[in-house]
Amino acid sequence: QVQLQESGPGLVKPSETLSLTCSVAGGSISNSYWSWVRQPAGKGLEWIGRIHSSGSTLYKPSLKSRATMSVDTSKNQFSLELTSVTAADSAVYYCTRPPGGWGFMDVWGKGTTVTVSS
Amino acid sequence: DIVMTQSPDSLAVSLGERATINCKSSQSVLYSSNNKNYLAWYQQKPGQPPNLLIYWASTRESGVPDRFSGSGSGTDFTLTISSLQAEDVALYYCQQYYDTQWTFGQGTKVEIK
Repeated sequence: QVQLQESGPGLVKPSETLSLTCSVAGGSISNSYWSWVRQPAGKGLEWIGRIHSSGSTLYKPSLKSRATMSVDTSKNQFSLELTSVTAADSAVYYCTRPPGGWGFMDVWGKGTTVTVSS
Repeated sequence: DIVMTQSPDSLAVSLGERATINCKSSQSVLYSSNNKNYLAWYQQKPGQPPNLLIYWASTRESGVPDRFSGSGSGTDFTLTISSLQAEDVALYYCQQYYDTQWTFGQGTKVEIK
């Protein structure tokens, strides 16, 4: 049973870079797609982007200029970096697994809360 | 982007009664080559991540109680809880994955009347 766990700073200053890592347990990160979704407090879900273990990526257009995803197969982890953050980037960030890359997400991490504030 | 619109925003249903949530996409999410609707439903309880209930519009995820069912095609979809239980109080989201840019509905809150 694959489990996901997000990690990273809970507080990021405006204009700085948000960096999160998702650790994959109970399975290999290889030959699979992985994704990030965020949810501002009290609001709905926003898909950020996805990455294949080969490194190919696809981002939400409105975030494309600021988001970078990467995979470290040796550590069974994948990561998200979001540059030039503002308060609007404050949210719970979830890493997820979309099996086969289809788009529905069957495994979610518990989420990590990121607050952008000085 | 495909815009997903859910209705209602919230509903209160008596225990044991039927709850129905609607989801409408701004364009069809039915892929004609395989006749599949690229539509999923999730349940989210407070303080928890979303939990996949339904994919391909009507395929129940393993372990999901059979009181949850999904239906619809093209642009109009429904999630039905046939007999509402106390543990079903939650937010429910639809999501399309027809487009390369995956998008969610705004969510529907289900409460007990």
